[in-house]
Amino acid sequence: ELVLRQSPGTLSLSPGERATLSCRASQSISSTNLAWYQQKPGQAPRLLISGTSIRATGIPDRFSGSGSGTDFTLTITRLEPEDFAVYYCQRYGTFGQGTKLEIK
Amino acid sequence: EVLLVESGGGLVKPGGSLRLSCGAFGFTFSSYIINWVRQAPGKGLEWVSSISTDSRSIYYTDSVKGRFTISRDNTQNLVYMQMNSLRGEDTAVYYCVREDVITKSFGLWGQGSLVTVSA
Repeated sequence: ELVLRQSPGTLSLSPGERATLSCRASQSISSTNLAWYQQKPGQAPRLLISGTSIRATGIPDRFSGSGSGTDFTLTITRLEPEDFAVYYCQRYGTFGQGTKLEIK
Repeated sequence: EVLLVESGGGLVKPGGSLRLSCGAFGFTFSSYIINWVRQAPGKGLEWVSSISTDSRSIYYTDSVKGRFTISRDNTQNLVYMQMNSLRGEDTAVYYCVREDVITKSFGLWGQGSLVTVSA
């Protein structure tokens, strides 16, 4: 059974800084199926990245995804106030436990 | 507008039943796999079930097998989740989610429907 482990659990940064979020799979997975989501309080999750690195429609280019095999990364350059949220990685029916990005 | 709209949530006693509905608008519903994903209060996302375009392939997470039944009506653009023998741990917001054809990512989410199981 695939497990996705996200780190860190909480990331405290300031607007304008760079955020690096990690998603590690318990076994090697195809980069085609790794996705990232953003969820703000009281809202449904929103797709950010599919296929490891393909931004969804309307997602700003400060969001980027990379990785292969078991290690995947979501990078947010120049954090904006609206970027502080919880982020999840996912592959098929498995989600990571989430990383909370909070304002420092 | 492209939308998924859930309904049918509410308060139910342990052991009770509830049926969630999800209506699809603005896209060719019959072309997409539909999933249910839930989120317990203060917790992360948990995939619950999926149904293929023709209803031939249906999957459930282990914790709901034998208790939940997913179905769809492509003539009405609706998907359902019949939930029986509900438990406290089923308390969650349930999201109806459209799966993208090529990437299999969850590209369209409904607003969610809260199910509370409590005596």
